[in-house]
Amino acid sequence: DAGVTQSPTHLIKTRGQQVTLRCSPKSGHDTVSWYQQALGQGPQFIFQYYEEEERQRGNFPDRFSGHQFPNYSSELNVNALLLGDSALYLCASSLYRLGTYEQYFGPGTRLTVT
Amino acid sequence: EDQVTQSPEALRLQEGESSSLNCSYTVSGLRGLFWYRQDPGKGPEFLFTLYSAGEEKEKERLKATLTKKESFLHITAPKPEDSATYLCAGSGNTGKLIFGQGTTLQVKP
Repeated sequence: DAGVTQSPTHLIKTRGQQVTLRCSPKSGHDTVSWYQQALGQGPQFIFQYYEEEERQRGNFPDRFSGHQFPNYSSELNVNALLLGDSALYLCASSLYRLGTYEQYFGPGTRLTVT
Repeated sequence: EDQVTQSPEALRLQEGESSSLNCSYTVSGLRGLFWYRQDPGKGPEFLFTLYSAGEEKEKERLKATLTKKESFLHITAPKPEDSATYLCAGSGNTGKLIFGQGTTLQVKP
């Protein structure tokens, strides 16, 4: 059973450019969440998708947007990149169990903005 | 405001020296308390979910416990391969995970 997969593994972009990151959830999971993890910090919630709609959003600007496809895979788009957007971007897919979402993470995409 | 705080930030142990990691939380309507292990440059690996105060779960040398304000990750007789960052996260009604900053554990042989 394949776990959560993300692509690409690494990415280098220039300030002002746009980037798209991709995620395929674990088999049987229908909810995808995205997190940003700066070096030495815990992951910060960006947003969550369910049934192709953004269900909730963290404290991130509108430059961060996403999409979920009918097969439950998801994309994270970041426009007008800033140096501060350099981070590890994590995708997590969820299984709803006992009243909460047990989230499993992918390996992440390391984004470097120069 | 929902918050999760982990201590210590870093912990160095000798192989076989048992210890505990602390996770204090204030999460409205807590539905689950999660522990993850993260190796450098990789995604967090799921370890445990705790649902209610008094619950305990074990996996190999790790044991997680939960009270109404804190969770502990006890590591018994650690080995060098247990070296990693351990992340604690709480989830309330919304389902999003609120993470602490992590505890980086180094186990020396």
